[in-house]
This record gives sequence, C-alpha cells and structure tokens, in this order.
Amino acid sequence: KQEVTQIPAALSVPEGENLVLNCSFTDSAIYNLQWFRQDPGKGLTSLLLIQSSQREQTSGRLNASLDKSSGRSTLYIAASQPGDSATYLCAVSPFSGGYQKVTFGIGTKLQVIP
Amino acid sequence: EAQVTQNPRYLITVTGKKLTVTCSQNMNHEYMSWYRQDPGLGLRQIYYSMNVEVTDKGDVPEGYKVSRKEKRNFPLILESPSPNQTSLYFCASSLYFRADTEAFFGQGTRLTVV
Repeated sequence: KQEVTQIPAALSVPEGENLVLNCSFTDSAIYNLQWFRQDPGKGLTSLLLIQSSQREQTSGRLNASLDKSSGRSTLYIAASQPGDSATYLCAVSPFSGGYQKVTFGIGTKLQVIP
Repeated sequence: EAQVTQNPRYLITVTGKKLTVTCSQNMNHEYMSWYRQDPGLGLRQIYYSMNVEVTDKGDVPEGYKVSRKEKRNFPLILESPSPNQTSLYFCASSLYFRADTEAFFGQGTRLTVV
C-alpha cells in the first residue's frame, strides 16, 4: 500500500526566504504526483502536477521536482510571502489508477512571518 | 465561475439523526468523490463516482451512502451518524477519473456529531 510522508509537519520562516517542502512515497510505480495548497476554511487548490516521466514543473515562484526512483518530491518556494501561508499537501496517483486511487500526505503547515 | 459547491459549511447534529451533505459542480465533470480529513490521518476517500449512476467505495465507506442521479450532483448521506464521523468533509470533481486532469475541491463541510 502506498504511503506518503511529508516533512516537516510545520514550518515557520521570515518573509523573503527561499524554502523547500519535502514529500516521500514508498511505491515508485506512480502515474503522477501533485502538490496542493489548502487554506483554512477552504478546499484544496492544485498547484503543480508532475507526470512520472517528468523531472520538474514550474509555476511562478513555485518549482516542484520529482525523483521517482528514490520516491521523493520537493516543492521549492522562492522569495516567500505572507500570502504563501497555508498547508501544502502532496498526492500520488498509482500507475494503474486515477483519482480513485490517489494517496495524500498529511501536509506541511507553512507560516511566513512578515 | 468554475466551482464545486458544498452545503452546509458547518453542521452540528446528534447521533442517529440522518443527514445529507450536498455537492454540486458546474463544470460538466464526469468524476466526483468525497473525502474526509482528520488530524494526523490526512485525506481519505469515502466514495467516488466515475459518471452518472456509477459509484464505488473508497477507503473508508462504512456509515456513508452516495448517489449520482445527475452529473452535477453527488450528495453524501449519513443514515445514522455517530461521533466517529465527526470530521472535515470535502467533495472533489475532475473532468475524468484520470489524475492528469485538474481536480477541483469544494470548501469543505465541518461536521460535528454529538
């Protein structure tokens, strides 16, 4: 059974710092990996999706990398801002399935201090 | 505006009193699903639906029912709620079940069963 771990569970950084969030998964036979953002009282918003054949994806100040063989992904946030404060979740879908088989990590709660 | 709408946002009920949480999407998505989110456990799938009249159990279906009579609606029914169903619930939809189509989440329903 796929297990997804996110470290650290919580992170507090001053505004302007670059930071890295980590996600690891136990079964490397994946279809893709997604990073989501969750704001308090709101649902999840998809940030980046990396297909298993890709190494990284970028969107603005966000860069996600994927090392399938080692079962790891990182989300890099450049020049952090208070508006980046949220919980970030990674989710892995298996090679054989779709959303019905997605496994979510518990998330990293990020606080960016002005 | 493309969105997934859940109602109610907050609900406090008593053990055994049947309740329904509604979910509606306006994007003509085929795939819809329900998750519950609990501290330390992350998001776990309750039920999902590939299309109208096609539903299946997720990882934690006990105590829940769903129906998919129309493409846009996917209600979650708790016939006899119990305190262990106190949780934060999310409805999600995507164009297809394949995890390379963006998933949209509702804002969540915080349910408390006393």
